Amino acid sequence: EIVLTQSPEFQSVTPKEKVTITCRASQSIGFSLHWYQQKPDQSPKLLIKYASQSFSGVPSRFSGSASGTDFTLTINSLEAEDAATYYCHQSSSLPHTFGQGTKVEIK
Amino acid sequence: QVQLVQSGAEVRKPGSSVKVSCKPSGDTFSSYAISWVRQAPGQGLEWMGRIIPIFGIADYAQKFQGRVTITADKSTSTTYMELSSLRSEDTAVYYCARSPGITIIEFDQWGQGTLVTVSS
Repeated sequence: EIVLTQSPEFQSVTPKEKVTITCRASQSIGFSLHWYQQKPDQSPKLLIKYASQSFSGVPSRFSGSASGTDFTLTINSLEAEDAATYYCHQSSSLPHTFGQGTKVEIK
Repeated sequence: QVQLVQSGAEVRKPGSSVKVSCKPSGDTFSSYAISWVRQAPGQGLEWMGRIIPIFGIADYAQKFQGRVTITADKSTSTTYMELSSLRSEDTAVYYCARSPGITIIEFDQWGQGTLVTVSS
């Protein structure tokens, strides 16, 4: 199965700062990489699909990019409401797999 | 917008089974897939399997093969996930998640989650 390795696992950030989260796939997955946000006691929500396509209704400060097997989620100008855990997910092949998550805390 | 509504929390004893349901509100079965993803307390997301309801075809993660059964009832547009031989490590929130197509793609809608507690 395809292993996704996220980094960092935890990040403490001040508001308006830029956040970068990386997800590395263990093998080529094309652009079949998606990003989700999960706030405490809530279900995950889709932010970015296919590496860089914003999902409907997602604020423009969230963006994604890809380079080979490395994928990046960027949050420009972090807001307090962005405190959450972020997961990457690959849908290149079954089984679907997720990264271990990156928790973003607001300082 | 389609919402996925799951059944309520369950408590089970080790060795027993649990069956969780997932029903889209305001929609019927069309060309999409429903996956089941679980999250143990304080842990990450783990994919268990999926079904394409209009075909009734299911795929399972190897880890759960033989213990999980995912089914769909076309008459009620409801998807079910049954997990057997429960152990304490199965205590988790179980989510259903929709892929807006029958190929292997993103999860655009998630249910609210169902907490399953396994305890003697």
